[in-house]
Amino acid sequence: ELKVEQNPLFLSMQEGKNYTIYCNYSTTSDRLYWYRQDPGKSLESLFVLLSNGAVKQEGRLMASLDTKARLSTLHITAAVHDLSATYFCAVGDSGGGADGLTFGKGTHLIIQP
Amino acid sequence: DTEVTQTPKHLVMGMTNKKSLKCEQHMGHRAMYWYKQKAKKPPELMFVYSYEKLSINESVPSRFSPECPNSSLLNLHLHALQPEDSALYLCASSQKQGVAYGYTFGSGTRLTVV
Repeated sequence: ELKVEQNPLFLSMQEGKNYTIYCNYSTTSDRLYWYRQDPGKSLESLFVLLSNGAVKQEGRLMASLDTKARLSTLHITAAVHDLSATYFCAVGDSGGGADGLTFGKGTHLIIQP
Repeated sequence: DTEVTQTPKHLVMGMTNKKSLKCEQHMGHRAMYWYKQKAKKPPELMFVYSYEKLSINESVPSRFSPECPNSSLLNLHLHALQPEDSALYLCASSQKQGVAYGYTFGSGTRLTVV
């Protein structure tokens, strides 16, 4: 059974600071996804990581994937209040079929002015 | 069209009611999914349809009945639900084939069972 662990589950930080969210998963997979969810809203796709060593950046967010360590990170640089949200990582299996995603528990991020 | 459209956005139903949730996409995606998300929890996979055929049922109670009438449409029929079934129900779609596919999520239906 695929398990996905995220940490921390809750993070309160100040604007301007840097921080990293970690996502570990238990079985081989070559597909790792990061989503953002605002309260009461649906999931917004942030990054799709498909190979070992993949690194993607969008604004103040950067995601990376190490398939050998089964670890992905989401790094936040110089945080701003608008980034406050819940962030989920999710993993698909490596079969390449129409499987669903297994989500981590999510990281509730609050950025204080 | 790059969206997954879910209707209704909000639904309140009694425990004896029968209702349906609808999901539609016109991206040519051949896999469609239902997820359930309780408050402050991650989404949990319920059903997967691939080429209009049910391929995964994650041990979901029979009071939830999925249907895929065609490649663009996915329904979730609800009957005799319990208050603990109140949640956000998310539909998603993806291309079936190919390595580099992502998932597109709809805006969800917020269901309250009274």
